[in-house]
Amino acid sequence: GENVEQHPSTLSVQEGDSAVIKCTYSDSASNYFPWYKQELGKRPQLIIDIRSNVGEKKDQRIAVTLNKTAKHFSLHITETQPEDSAVYFCAAREDSSYKLIFGSGTRLLVRP
Amino acid sequence: GAGVSQSPSNKVTEKGKDVELRCDPISGHTALYWYRQRLGQGLEFLIYFQGNSAPDKSGLPSDRFSAERTGESVSTLTIQRTQQEDSAVYLCASSLASRYEQYFGPGTRLTVT
Repeated sequence: GENVEQHPSTLSVQEGDSAVIKCTYSDSASNYFPWYKQELGKRPQLIIDIRSNVGEKKDQRIAVTLNKTAKHFSLHITETQPEDSAVYFCAAREDSSYKLIFGSGTRLLVRP
Repeated sequence: GAGVSQSPSNKVTEKGKDVELRCDPISGHTALYWYRQRLGQGLEFLIYFQGNSAPDKSGLPSDRFSAERTGESVSTLTIQRTQQEDSAVYLCASSLASRYEQYFGPGTRLTVT
């Protein structure tokens, strides 16, 4: 089955700097890759997603890139702000079963 | 509109007791998912419903775990004879259909003492 690895586990950046979180997946049949943001004690919220027919997608300060050949995808946050501090999870979806397989999460801290 | 809701928000139970966790999906969402999140870890898939049938229950950890769904509405996750390792946040998500974005509820924090 699918396996998703996520790095780094923690990331600390200065406000205004960029943050990059990387994930790799194992199943070449996976075709949907969402990113979730989870603030402390709150529900995961979908912030951006990408499908396997697209290489890059951007939404304001957030972008996701996908390299199908290498089976990895990344989240890029530019001009980080303290409110970006949270745990970020990547996920991959198996085409046959529709369930999301999550990475282990990255705790992002944006220092004011 | 209203998002996914779950109840209770917190549940403390003694080892060996049975618990029921409830999920109310977004109205009109046909697909429903249960996940488990242990402290400091990622989300672990448990079971997927399409309507009231469960085509994928591969993530249920043992036969102490079961789930059902009434039509395209509420779902209940039942854990029998709870163990301490069952302590976690149980999250429910729903989507318009199985290939669409999943929206999560706030979770039920289960503590087994």
